[in-house]
Amino acid sequence: GAVVSQHPSWVICKSGTSVKIECRSLDFQATTMFWYRQFPKQSLMLMATSNEGSKATYEQGVEKDKFLINHASLTLSTLTVTSAHPEDSSFYICSARDRGPPYFGPGTRLTVT
Amino acid sequence: AQSVTQLDSHVSVSEGTPVLLRCNYSSSYSPSLFWYVQHPNKGLQLLLKYTSAATLVKGINGFEAEFKKSETSFHLTKPSAHMSDAAEYFCVVSDPGDMRFGAGTRLTVKP
Repeated sequence: GAVVSQHPSWVICKSGTSVKIECRSLDFQATTMFWYRQFPKQSLMLMATSNEGSKATYEQGVEKDKFLINHASLTLSTLTVTSAHPEDSSFYICSARDRGPPYFGPGTRLTVT
Repeated sequence: AQSVTQLDSHVSVSEGTPVLLRCNYSSSYSPSLFWYVQHPNKGLQLLLKYTSAATLVKGINGFEAEFKKSETSFHLTKPSAHMSDAAEYFCVVSDPGDMRFGAGTRLTVKP
């Protein structure tokens, strides 16, 4: 199956700093990428949907100025958590699709101290 | 709008017995439906997908699911559970621009 990578796999940052997470589709072109957040023992919650070359569509309750999403190419999307706070600590997962099923990255665990 | 409901948050079976994980969906379109599995501290893995072809879909590791439009269901089954099947399972409904996850079902397999 198709491969989606995320970098970094885990990151620890101090409160008030910004963190960028990359999501790459390695062997296919992803016209659509999704960003999810997962709290412990809970389902994935969709944060935003991004299509290459256009602005991301954010889910209700997700602050677009805090979670900046850029989908600059067909193989790369980035999520930047700005001015991170401890409550932003979570597991962030991206998925990417072209016409087939979505494929998921391995996730990034963010800890804000 | 579309949504998906996984009817059981936790299912416990004995090794060698059948597995049934239930999923109901609602969608304004002819949906694509997926089952994903997530093992502890791992990413999501696609088990199987339904995209308007055969209603009985076979996936990896002996899993299969049947799309029943009249019941708006897409239940996941396996004839005989293995210890390695213990994980979290997610039912997903999708159209090209949107994906919705169920709350997940934790499968426990007892020896």
